[in-house]
Amino acid sequence: EADIYQTPRYLVIGTGKKITLECSQTMGHDKMYWYQQDPGMELHLIHYSYGVNSTEKGDLSSESTVSRIRTEHFPLTLESARPSHTSQYLCASSVQGGYTIYFGEGSWLTVV
Amino acid sequence: SQQGEEDPQALSIQEGENATMNCSYKTSINNLQWYRQNSGRGLVHLILIRSNEREKHSGRLRVTLDTSKKSSSLLITASRAADTASYFCATGPASNSGYALNFGKGTSLLVTP
Repeated sequence: EADIYQTPRYLVIGTGKKITLECSQTMGHDKMYWYQQDPGMELHLIHYSYGVNSTEKGDLSSESTVSRIRTEHFPLTLESARPSHTSQYLCASSVQGGYTIYFGEGSWLTVV
Repeated sequence: SQQGEEDPQALSIQEGENATMNCSYKTSINNLQWYRQNSGRGLVHLILIRSNEREKHSGRLRVTLDTSKKSSSLLITASRAADTASYFCATGPASNSGYALNFGKGTSLLVTP
C-alpha cells in the first residue's frame, strides 16, 4: 500500500469558488505529480515537481496551480472553479531516479 | 503527451479464463509499466518491464514487450472476479529529462463468476 493521501475524496462546490486539493506522502519521495482523469478516460499529467520549490506544468493545460514548500506536501489550487473542472484529480509520487509511480486514492471534484 | 493505447477498450470474460490486453506506443521508451485501477480509486502498480527485456512474470501476470513493434501485452491467467478493474499501460520515455509516465486510455476488464 502506498502512503500517499488525498483530501477531500469527494467535493461538490459552486462555480467561482476557490478550492484546494490536498496531497501528502510519507515516503520521502522527491517527485510528485498531479494527474486529471475524466471517468473512463486516460490520465493527463497537469503538474509535477522534482522537489521543494520546483513545479512544472504537465502536458495538459490546466487553470490550476500547485506549490511545493515541503517535500511531503503538494497541494493543488483552483482559484475560481468552473463546471469544466469537474473531474477526478489523482496525486502521485515517485522516488528520484525511480520508475514506479505511487498513487493516492483520488479526489472527485464536481463543480455545479 | 499520451502515447500508450490499449486494446481492447473493454473485455468481458468468465472466471478461470485468461485475459489478454495489448498496448501500443509511439516513441522510444526506457520502460513500460502496467497499472490497475479499481472503480473510483487510484492506480496501483502491477509490473514493470525494461526496454531490454522481452518477457516478465509476476504471479498470474505475464507481460511481453516487443520494442520493434512498439507494443506490449498483459496476460492475466486464471482470472478471478476480483480482477475486475481498468488496466493501463504507461511508458517511461527514453529521454531522461522531465521524466513522467504517459498513460493510455485503459482496458476495462469485467470478470463474471
